[in-house]
Amino acid sequence: SQQGEEDPQALSIQEGENATMNCSYKTSINNLQWYRQNSGRGLVHLILIRSNEREKHSGRLRVTLDTSKKSSSLLITASRAADTASYFCAMFGNEKLTFGTGTRLTIIP
Amino acid sequence: DAGVIQSPRHEVTEMGQEVTLRCKPISGHNSLFWYRQTMMRGLELLIYFNNNVPIDDSGMPEDRFSAKMPNASFSTLKIQPSEPRDSAVYFCASSFGRGYEQYFGPGTRLTVT
Repeated sequence: SQQGEEDPQALSIQEGENATMNCSYKTSINNLQWYRQNSGRGLVHLILIRSNEREKHSGRLRVTLDTSKKSSSLLITASRAADTASYFCAMFGNEKLTFGTGTRLTIIP
Repeated sequence: DAGVIQSPRHEVTEMGQEVTLRCKPISGHNSLFWYRQTMMRGLELLIYFNNNVPIDDSGMPEDRFSAKMPNASFSTLKIQPSEPRDSAVYFCASSFGRGYEQYFGPGTRLTVT
């Protein structure tokens, strides 16, 4: 299965701190995407990193991809209360996009 | 664009009843996806359409589930007959292709009693 495993399952940090979430997968991919889901809402696309890229930035987000280790990380810097949400990685490979299990991030004001 | 539109937002029905969920994708997107999300199983892809044609329905749980896309701006997911284990949030998403970023609708929370 291509399904990704995310680590940790839940994370609570103080506002202003950085949050790091990790995603591991099993087979080769073309790209890896990160999504955010606020409670009771649909998923929102955050960033896409291709298999030939190692790092990508978007605002306070930084994503890294290590294809040799089959892992990716999402770093949110200077966290805000509004960042409280679940974060999912999604791996695109073999013509399928498969979502990970998610990390529940709570920002404590 | 208003984004992906789903209706209804909430549906409560009794076991055995037919349920129809509706989706309007973003104009210009050629790919449409139906997902189901539960605490136990996470986010599961049910079916994927490309240019209105079902390409991958391997995630459709059983014959009680069916999906159609009669045109580029409308899709339905039907469950007949519904069962309590079908209770979940059902999302529709659209994109420019399978590997591209997907835009999700707000979801339909289905409760089958």
